[in-house]
Amino acid sequence: DGGITQSPKYLFRKEGQNVTLSCEQNLNHDAMYWYRQDPGQGLRLIYYSQIVNDFQKGDIAEGYSVSREKKESFPLTVTSAQKNPTAFYLCASSIRGGRTDTQYFGPGTRLTVL
Amino acid sequence: QQQVKQSPQSLIVQKGGIPIINCAYENTAFDYFPWYQQFPGKGPALLIAIRPDVSEKKEGRFTISFNKSAKQFSLHIMDSQPGDSATYFCAASKAYSGNTPLVFGKGTRLSVIA
Repeated sequence: DGGITQSPKYLFRKEGQNVTLSCEQNLNHDAMYWYRQDPGQGLRLIYYSQIVNDFQKGDIAEGYSVSREKKESFPLTVTSAQKNPTAFYLCASSIRGGRTDTQYFGPGTRLTVL
Repeated sequence: QQQVKQSPQSLIVQKGGIPIINCAYENTAFDYFPWYQQFPGKGPALLIAIRPDVSEKKEGRFTISFNKSAKQFSLHIMDSQPGDSATYFCAASKAYSGNTPLVFGKGTRLSVIA
């Protein structure tokens, strides 16, 4: 059963704490992405990676960090430097990370900072 | 700077009606225009996509119309059904000329009522 898994589905954290969101894919895709979704704001790109051990900042990378040590995994850390971290976070992957490759999205993680 | 402007924010149509969602872009280097569909609590999924060398593309009940000179493209849903109720996102990228990540519009929440 191939696909993208994100865990947990819901996450609550206290203000000032770092938190790591998990994203795993078994589609053998090279590229992976993290988006943030806020009501009425669409999908905004946080970070993306087109190959293991390499990643690039997206439009709203401040306050976030990522790693890409394995092809299957692209965890996102929301640091205490992120001013407004409460949002719905979506992970996606695509075969090669460019051209017209379809992006396949995971089910998302809803992060609430109390 | 919003590179892809989407309208309307929300749309309500009767079953069988033809909702139309519009998008406008600024960057003339964009050369790939997909539409994604998202159901509540789920990640988006690719619905249909078009390149600027064609003016229209149909897939089932979904049609993209593309106007290169006006830098606009739109999604039409023929014979809409309650099951089409979802949020729709247009997107754009330099897939063929620069291999850049997708830029998404802010989304349109469609409700099809019986």
